[in-house]
Amino acid sequence: GAVVSQHPSWVICKSGTSVKIECRSLDFQATTMFWYRQFPKQSLMLMATSNEGSKATYEQGVEKDKFLINHASLTLSTLTVTSAHPEDSSFYICSARGTGNSPLHFGNGTRLTVT
Amino acid sequence: EDQVTQSPEALRLQEGESSSLNCSYTVSGLRGLFWYRQDPGKGPEFLFTLYSAGEEKEKERLKATLTKKESFLHITAPKPEDSATYLCAVRNAGGTSYGKLTFGQGTILTVHP
Repeated sequence: GAVVSQHPSWVICKSGTSVKIECRSLDFQATTMFWYRQFPKQSLMLMATSNEGSKATYEQGVEKDKFLINHASLTLSTLTVTSAHPEDSSFYICSARGTGNSPLHFGNGTRLTVT
Repeated sequence: EDQVTQSPEALRLQEGESSSLNCSYTVSGLRGLFWYRQDPGKGPEFLFTLYSAGEEKEKERLKATLTKKESFLHITAPKPEDSATYLCAVRNAGGTSYGKLTFGQGTILTVHP
């Protein structure tokens, strides 16, 4: 149980374009989803918390107009990287939490390369 | 601000050579300490949750323990397939991003046959 599906697994885009990443909880409802970013050989850095039916909460230093988050249902959250630049190239990972103090379950990540 | 520090950064073991990974933490009201395994190019895979000092959890060759300041992940007789990055994370008692985890930088474990 507790499967989180993330799509696409990798994407290459040109500078200035936008990219949408989807995160779905397949067998449970996720009121809250979290988006993390990971640079090579570094740990996961929280970007934002996505709450179903409300605005996302962004961590300090994360541009909310650049990283648009939508949590339209209890099983789907999307992250859109707008006007992508090469410095946005990274590994983006979503995670979802069920009820109570349950652990986070992670998707398999999206490798974004901006050329 | 919650902080998690893992050591060592990298650990090389021979198959069958037992060892431990350390996770030191400071958190405002611990609501759980979590261990994850991450393979290259993949998302973290959940291993254990520990909630209070003195608690222990086991799974195959792995055993996690918790004190008020740190957690250990003991690996007994490791195999090459145990090679991965092991991540430790904490969850605090509240805040605007309830449920979020703060991660350490990870320990890269390599087990040689």
